[in-house]
Amino acid sequence: RKEVEQDPGPFNVPEGATVAFNCTYSNSASQSFFWYRQDCRKEPKLLMSVYSSGNEDGRFTAQLNRASQYISLLIRDSKLSDSATYLCVVTPSGGYQKVTFGTGTKLQVIP
Amino acid sequence: EAGVTQFPSHSVIEKGQTVTLRCDPISGHDNLYWYRRVMGKEIKFLLHFVKESKQDESGMPNNRFLAERTGGTYSTLKVQPAELEDSGVYFCASSQESWTSGSAYNEQFFGPGTRLTVL
Repeated sequence: RKEVEQDPGPFNVPEGATVAFNCTYSNSASQSFFWYRQDCRKEPKLLMSVYSSGNEDGRFTAQLNRASQYISLLIRDSKLSDSATYLCVVTPSGGYQKVTFGTGTKLQVIP
Repeated sequence: EAGVTQFPSHSVIEKGQTVTLRCDPISGHDNLYWYRRVMGKEIKFLLHFVKESKQDESGMPNNRFLAERTGGTYSTLKVQPAELEDSGVYFCASSQESWTSGSAYNEQFFGPGTRLTVL
């Protein structure tokens, strides 16, 4: 079983739609969780951190469920510019910064 | 402020040849990481430098890979001799010291990657 699992997609959604991605992780000791965004043939960039209490940044909402070991990303009012691959990232406990990436979920927002 | 830079952007070599990839982190970032993405797979950690010291090299595939960071500034990753399965995109990332932000994780800033093709 992979340490971090994501549905690769692609998710094809119309502009204005709401779309949600989930990610599961296997290491219960994992401490920090993030969503990164990667545009085609570009480098990954941090989108947002994920906290147990849930956090929101504009149209983006991230949630963490430690009991079920999954994190989610909700995008409301999808824009064409949201088209990208969304990477789930997990780091182990202890403050060490080695990160584990999921394979990513591809989102295509259609006009 | 300049971001993480990597050179070359692309490299095409034949099996058995040697290739050296370079990464220049953001100025002042003590942490430097190498990652690799093989086609169709997830980005995988290779190793982590703190200044010039290797903190963790558990992700290095085998002894054909050698990473250095002399002087704690830029880093090189040498593959010698290259094999077909080494093809992929090699990303470098850098981050500040953990204590500077008071959190256990400092955002890692990624470079654009080097696309390596071994024929």
